[in-house]
Amino acid sequence: GAVVSQHPSWVICKSGTSVKIECRSLDFQATTMFWYRQFPKQSLMLMATSNEGSKATYEQGVEKDKFLINHASLTLSTLTVTSAHPEDSSFYICSARALTGADEKLFFGSGTQLSVL
Amino acid sequence: SQQGEEDPQALSIQEGENATMNCSYKTSINNLQWYRQNSGRGLVHLILIRSNEREKHSGRLRVTLDTSKKSSSLLITASRAADTASYFCATDWIQGAQKLVFGQGTRLTINP
Repeated sequence: GAVVSQHPSWVICKSGTSVKIECRSLDFQATTMFWYRQFPKQSLMLMATSNEGSKATYEQGVEKDKFLINHASLTLSTLTVTSAHPEDSSFYICSARALTGADEKLFFGSGTQLSVL
Repeated sequence: SQQGEEDPQALSIQEGENATMNCSYKTSINNLQWYRQNSGRGLVHLILIRSNEREKHSGRLRVTLDTSKKSSSLLITASRAADTASYFCATDWIQGAQKLVFGQGTRLTINP
């Protein structure tokens, strides 16, 4: 199946710094990627939809100035957590939509565990 | 909220037994998908069932869909220790944008 690479796998940073997370589709072009956030033992909460060449669409309650999304190419989307605070500590997962046969499916990156000290 | 609900939230069974998880959702959908997540990892797609399908099989997995009850079930037969993971259902709904909404998930533990 399609492969989505997400880096880094984990990151520890100081409060007030910014962290960039990359999501790449390795063997297919993804015009749309999605960013999710997941707290321990909870479900995935969609943060934003990233569209290549246009502005991301953010879900209600997600600060777009805090979570900057850039989708500069058909294979790369980045999420930058700006001025990170301890409450931003979470597991962030990206996914990319790919057409497999007649169905569209989501393929997920392996996630990034962010810890803000 | 469009988010689905799954039950049970946690399930612990012995290896070799069957595991059944249920998912309910709120509005009309195009399809419903099941995913597996190992601890601290991304999600792996298991199976997709379309709204006009009632049952689908893939290896040891059997998925049913009842659109009249807005519910789905995932059955894992002859469970193995490697099946230990969290299982999520996800729906994309017709009226909204093309995006998946995930249920709360079922944490499945297979005891050897």
